[in-house]
Amino acid sequence: AQSVTQPDIHITVSEGASLELRCNYSYGATPYLFWYVQSPGQGLQLLLKYFSGDTLVQGIKGFEAEFKRSQSSFNLRKPSVHWSDAAEYFCAVGARAAGNKLTFGGGTRVLVKP
Amino acid sequence: EPEVTQTPSHQVTQMGQEVILRCVPISNHLYFYWYRQILGQKVEFLVSFYNNEISEKSEIFDDQFSVERPDGSNFTLKIRSTKLEDSAMYFCASREGESGANVLTFGAGSRLTVL
Repeated sequence: AQSVTQPDIHITVSEGASLELRCNYSYGATPYLFWYVQSPGQGLQLLLKYFSGDTLVQGIKGFEAEFKRSQSSFNLRKPSVHWSDAAEYFCAVGARAAGNKLTFGGGTRVLVKP
Repeated sequence: EPEVTQTPSHQVTQMGQEVILRCVPISNHLYFYWYRQILGQKVEFLVSFYNNEISEKSEIFDDQFSVERPDGSNFTLKIRSTKLEDSAMYFCASREGESGANVLTFGAGSRLTVL
């Protein structure tokens, strides 16, 4: 069975500082990996995805993530955080062999200090 | 940009009552999903639906739950007799199909409060 762990429940970062959110997954084959963001009162918006190929993927809003098979990780990064990045971030894993359903991590809530 | 629309955004109901949550997926999408998120917990898979039938369901999706696509546009989740523990945010999602690989588009969610 697939699983996802996001070790950090909350992260507080100053505006303009860099941000890194950790994600570790467990899956027997090559996974599909995703990062979604949920702003207050909003749905889950896809930030970026990894299916295959280049292990560094670029997403919307200036985010990027790197797939590291050896570490079973898919960490999300942004070089300079904006106040509008305050939200909850979810890492998810999916695979065609798993019926294409997504398994989510517990989420990381990001607070941005002025 | 096409979006998944969910109604109502918030529903309060008494324990034991029936609830129907509605979703309008993106029009050319073929695969449909319901997920839920109990406050402070993970987003959990409930059910997937394709070609007018359930393709997979989780152990959460017991006999109290049902889904249907009555008119080719709406995709509904019915909870027959709500329990306190059904209080959660329910997300609908849709996916285009094989050509869209595995990218789900989610709605804004329906918050259900059972009293």
